Amino acid sequence: EMQLVQSGGGLVQPGGSLRLSCVASGFIFSDDWMTWVRQAPGKGLEWVGNINQRGSEINYVDSVRGRFTISRDNAKSSVYLQLDSLRPEDTAVYYCARDDRSTFLFDCWGQGTLVTVSS
Amino acid sequence: DIVMTQTPLSLSVTPGQPASISCKSSQNLLQRDGKTYLYWYLQKPGQPPQLLIYELSNRFSGVPDRFSGSGSGTDFTLKISRVEAEDVGVYYCMHSFQHPRTFGQGTKVEIK
Repeated sequence: EMQLVQSGGGLVQPGGSLRLSCVASGFIFSDDWMTWVRQAPGKGLEWVGNINQRGSEINYVDSVRGRFTISRDNAKSSVYLQLDSLRPEDTAVYYCARDDRSTFLFDCWGQGTLVTVSS
Repeated sequence: DIVMTQTPLSLSVTPGQPASISCKSSQNLLQRDGKTYLYWYLQKPGQPPQLLIYELSNRFSGVPDRFSGSGSGTDFTLKISRVEAEDVGVYYCMHSFQHPRTFGQGTKVEIK
């Protein structure tokens, strides 16, 4: 069974940093792209970015480009989201998801981790 | 960026009755490979989203056949033939035509 387990959320002050982790199991992690999606409290879903199998292609939504960094370690079946220069509007539940490269669907999601940016 | 616009934003449905959600994109989502990269997700309360429909009209594994996706170009529809209590939640359309991917605002479905 495919599974994604997330960790690393919490409370951070504006301007601070946080690193989110997502560990995969039940599928060949190195075969797939991975995606990050976030959801502000009471709001809809926002695609944050994705990373290809080798980490050589990474895409971001404009609102986070230059502040967030997606990376992966295939040996650890893990994908990461480094959040820097955090702003209150980055407060959200962050989800990782498997991004099937042939159909571009997200068929396996992490449980989500809450990031709160507040002083 | 492609803007995805859903209507209605909320829907109250009697069990056993049909429901329909519209999604319009600001750009044609038909790719040169002939596929339309339009997806539907359902987020049940307190859960991460789950995939219902991919590439316009393909039901994902395990999705009941009361769910169907249709449309073309920039106009898309998710239909539930007979709503059940377990269908409550927020439905999102999303495109994967280009980066960045974008979601619709979501349509909240409640049971009367």
